[in-house]
Amino acid sequence: DADVTQTPRNRITKTGKRIMLECSQTKGHDRMYWYRQDPGLGLQLIYYSFDVKDINKGEISDGYSVSRQAQAKFSLSLESAIPNQTALYFCATSDFLAGDNEQFFGPGTRLTVL
Amino acid sequence: RKEVEQDPGPFNVPEGATVAFNCTYSNSASQSFFWYRQDCRKEPKLLMSVYSSGNEDGRFTAQLNRASQYISLLIRDSKLSDSATYLCVVNRVYNQGGKLIFGQGTELSVKP
Repeated sequence: DADVTQTPRNRITKTGKRIMLECSQTKGHDRMYWYRQDPGLGLQLIYYSFDVKDINKGEISDGYSVSRQAQAKFSLSLESAIPNQTALYFCATSDFLAGDNEQFFGPGTRLTVL
Repeated sequence: RKEVEQDPGPFNVPEGATVAFNCTYSNSASQSFFWYRQDCRKEPKLLMSVYSSGNEDGRFTAQLNRASQYISLLIRDSKLSDSATYLCVVNRVYNQGGKLIFGQGTELSVKP
């Protein structure tokens, strides 16, 4: 079984719709991250959370919100989706006690906003 | 200027070739360095960490030059299975911990 899972894996939605992407992990890590990846741009950090009570904005948080429901769950919401949010979204985790250096990624969610 | 910049690629090489990727970073406070590998439409995975003394893992050798803020990855005897995008990654440490900064990636295609 995968340690970091994301649902849905693919989603097509329309402009203006609210959508939630979910991430769960069984690694027991305290830190979780949301990234988006666009062709030729690499991974950009949207939000990150160092524990359940800690939420921080990343480089490109505008238009997104997150919720850390539990240590193992971190959700990303698009309140009103727009076409330029079409991208591949990855959730990741890391372990502070292990030095926080390696991040473990989920399989990604491919989101298309029409 | 991007904080982490890589060779644009793509690199198209024959099997058995040696290929080198370069990466520069702009933040001198960066403390940890990595190469991640990403297969097409898949998640990135850690390939290897990069140490100041240089480190080797089988056919892969990574080098770090802190003075020049330069990181490299050398792949010897390329295999078809090495075809992927290679991401240069820097850990920027700040008061609460580290945050990974990713380069845009360099695509490698190894041909028979």
